[in-house]
Amino acid sequence: DAMVIQNPRYQVTQFGKPVTLSCSQTLNHNVMYWYQQKSSQAPKLLFHYYDKDFNNEADTPDNFQSRRPNTSFCFLDIRSPGLGDAAMYLCATSRDPGQTQETQYFGPGTRLLVL
Amino acid sequence: AQTVTQSQPEMSVQEAETVTLSCTYDTSESDYYLFWYKQPPSRQMILVIRQEAYKQQNATENRFSVNFQKAAKSFSLKISDSQLGDAAMYFCAYRTDNSGNTPLVFGKGTRLSVIA
Repeated sequence: DAMVIQNPRYQVTQFGKPVTLSCSQTLNHNVMYWYQQKSSQAPKLLFHYYDKDFNNEADTPDNFQSRRPNTSFCFLDIRSPGLGDAAMYLCATSRDPGQTQETQYFGPGTRLLVL
Repeated sequence: AQTVTQSQPEMSVQEAETVTLSCTYDTSESDYYLFWYKQPPSRQMILVIRQEAYKQQNATENRFSVNFQKAAKSFSLKISDSQLGDAAMYFCAYRTDNSGNTPLVFGKGTRLSVIA
């Protein structure tokens, strides 16, 4: 029944060591989002894909990249994680951004720890 | 730019009682959508309720209802007959109604505790 799946749920990496977080969806939604959520803060949108079109938020650091090889999968790559990148990373999907009332469905998140 | 403000970082309610979480927003748009999301500890975020700005009637979903005051730009969430499972972080969110890729704008959240 899982609709938005994130792996792993917990990820530990070393300072400066590249890390990839993955997200998959069984909803066949057009749009996939990546959010960063730090402790006791609101989720902050990093970027999103509408199909294959990539949309980067203006304040997302270059250190964060994303790939979407197909409809079902989306990856978040952190090229050189810093201590400040430790956070929960949430993946979400929605069917069509043109339908602005469309609900976003969130995955359970991946908690990233940087040592 | 649109902003969403949740002025109550933490709230608590007795089981079976009613609690209201506040949310205000700032926008120059006339058409938009408002959402309340619930994020339980260590669990995923789920939609609680949503409201279209063009609708005057307040949205209701079982024990959850909103008080939408468009002129005041206020969108509060009322939880009736509170249950232990309602304990979570609640986020108010806004999305503008235009074509293209518009993200959700979240408030900072209100942590709700339910006391048995």
